Amino acid sequence: AQSVAQPEDQVNVAEGNPLTVKCTYSVSGNPYLFWYVQYPNRGLQFLLKYITGDNLVKGSYGFEAEFNKSQTSFHLKKPSALVSDSALYFCAVRDRGSGNTGKLIFGQGTTLQVKP
Amino acid sequence: GAGVSQSPSNKVTEKGKDVELRCDPISGHTALYWYRQSLGQGLEFLIYFQGNSAPDKSGLPSDRFSAERTGESVSTLTIQRTQQEDSAVYLCASSFEGGRRDTQYFGPGTRLTVL
Repeated sequence: AQSVAQPEDQVNVAEGNPLTVKCTYSVSGNPYLFWYVQYPNRGLQFLLKYITGDNLVKGSYGFEAEFNKSQTSFHLKKPSALVSDSALYFCAVRDRGSGNTGKLIFGQGTTLQVKP
Repeated sequence: GAGVSQSPSNKVTEKGKDVELRCDPISGHTALYWYRQSLGQGLEFLIYFQGNSAPDKSGLPSDRFSAERTGESVSTLTIQRTQQEDSAVYLCASSFEGGRRDTQYFGPGTRLTVL
């Protein structure tokens, strides 16, 4: 069965410092991986996805993620954090076990707190 | 509008009542998903619609939950005889064609509170 783990409930970083939000996955076959961000009382906003190709994926708002097949990881990164990046971040994997529904399986989420 | 819209944004109901939640997908998107976000269970898939295919209902937690979609447009999620454990944020998402490579775009959600 496909699964996603986000080992940190919360990540704290100072504004201007680099940030990393961790994600590991367990899938059979090639993984399709996604990152979403959720601001308070809002829906999920798509940041980026890995389907195939370059291991470093660039997305919205200066975020990027590195796909590492040997470590089964897909960590989200940003070189310089902003206070406005403070939000709840979800890693997700596309389910491959139910035909072509494409439903997402989400990690439990990581709260990113960027302090001025 | 350009994005997925959902209504109402908030719904408070009494235990035992029925509720209907509405989702308007992005125009041209053939695939539509419902998810539920709750403190105890995180984000979980409920149901998926794709064109005229039979919906994937594998995530519905009980027979009190049902959903319909008219063509490739509006969808309604109905919860009958609501229970307190149904309290959650119900998120709708749509994607262009529903394949595994597709990006799902989410609406703002409906926060359901069952008293």
